[in-house]
Amino acid sequence: GQNIDQPTEMTATEGAIVQINCTYQTSGFNGLFWYQQHAGEAPTFLSYNVLDGLEEKGRFSSFLSRSKGYSYLLLKELQMKDSASYLCALPGTGTASKLTFGTGTRLQVTL
Amino acid sequence: GAVVSQHPSWVICKSGTSVKIECRSLDFQATTMFWYRQFPKQSLMLMATSNEGSKATYEQGVEKDKFLINHASLTLSTLTVTSAHPEDSSFYICSTEGAKSQETQYFGPGTRLLVL
Repeated sequence: GQNIDQPTEMTATEGAIVQINCTYQTSGFNGLFWYQQHAGEAPTFLSYNVLDGLEEKGRFSSFLSRSKGYSYLLLKELQMKDSASYLCALPGTGTASKLTFGTGTRLQVTL
Repeated sequence: GAVVSQHPSWVICKSGTSVKIECRSLDFQATTMFWYRQFPKQSLMLMATSNEGSKATYEQGVEKDKFLINHASLTLSTLTVTSAHPEDSSFYICSTEGAKSQETQYFGPGTRLLVL
């Protein structure tokens, strides 16, 4: 089976940096996704990590440590529009696209 | 532009009625589609895997006779919520396998269902 743990809520200030952590347990690792979801909308893809290390994509970076079962999403230069839920997800080992989502972290960016 | 569409985007119905939700892949053929459900302030939970030309595979705890899935073509999967009840009120989202790689899984915009 698969288990994912994320903080439920976080608050950060506009312009700041925030790190959203995700720890997971899985019987077979097939990469890890991060999605952003605004209220009432579908998730949008942010990143996919399959190898250890940090991958940077503009203001957003994602880190993975397979040995520790740990990932984080780093958001820099926070903007108000970054207020959303951030979902950590694991693809299945059988049908790869079958995703198991974490509970999501609701990020509130304040002035 | 969007590669997966859903219709309707929202629907309100009376308890006991059936509601059909369509999920279409616009730019490519999708042999497999996934249906998720999301209750308020909760994460997405996979309900079933829709396979073109064969029966859907349901996750544990999801009633297959209540949530009917039909994947009759490579571009269309439908989810019918039969005899809907207020507890079925939720946000239903479909997704397709990536056309090229796991990185490109596409989600539909979602359908919000409210059962009165």
